Amino acid sequence: EAQVTQNPRYLITVTGKKLTVTCSQNMNHEYMSWYRQDPGLGLRQIYYSMNVEVTDKGDVPEGYKVSRKEKRNFPLILESPSPNQTSLYFCASSDRDNSPLHFGNGTRLTVT
Amino acid sequence: AQKVTQAQTEISVVEKEDVTLDCVYETRDTTYYLFWYKQPPSGELVFLIRRNSFDEQNEISGRYSWNFQKSTSSFNFTITASQVVDSAVYFCALKDPLAGNNRKLIWGLGTSLAVNP
Repeated sequence: EAQVTQNPRYLITVTGKKLTVTCSQNMNHEYMSWYRQDPGLGLRQIYYSMNVEVTDKGDVPEGYKVSRKEKRNFPLILESPSPNQTSLYFCASSDRDNSPLHFGNGTRLTVT
Repeated sequence: AQKVTQAQTEISVVEKEDVTLDCVYETRDTTYYLFWYKQPPSGELVFLIRRNSFDEQNEISGRYSWNFQKSTSSFNFTITASQVVDSAVYFCALKDPLAGNNRKLIWGLGTSLAVNP
């Protein structure tokens, strides 16, 4: 089944404790991206990647890192999480320009 | 500026009613793509439809239909004979034409639809 898989689904952590949210897609998509969703602010892009070893900032990259060492994986790294990073995170991928984005099931992160 | 507005924050209907979710967009480009996504209570984002600016035909998929009107910059979504399973937040989005290679979407804030039995 074609899908984007994010893990974990839920995560509660404390300020400053490094964490990684994994994202993997099995559709051989070149493009991958991370969004965060917050009430009243909608969905905002954090980072995106056009291909292996090609990543770039989205609209709200501060406090996040990503890597793209393999085509299928695009982890989101929070080196020192803070409470303002409490949010619902989505990973997405697509194959061609203007194609729909395929989203993972989301990761609900709480930083206390 | 590129912008998507979903003026209806919340809609509540009774099952079997028809309901229309409005989406108004702003863009300076003549070529653009619009999308609708559904976010059910379980939280995932489900793609519903993509429309490009050159295709003004209305689209129907079962109980779902979309009305694209370039003249009013609107891309409205209608659910006919709504069902409880249609309860979700619905998002309209515009592919950002200024984003270059980045396939970023500009999102509306969503319309929360509650279909009551």
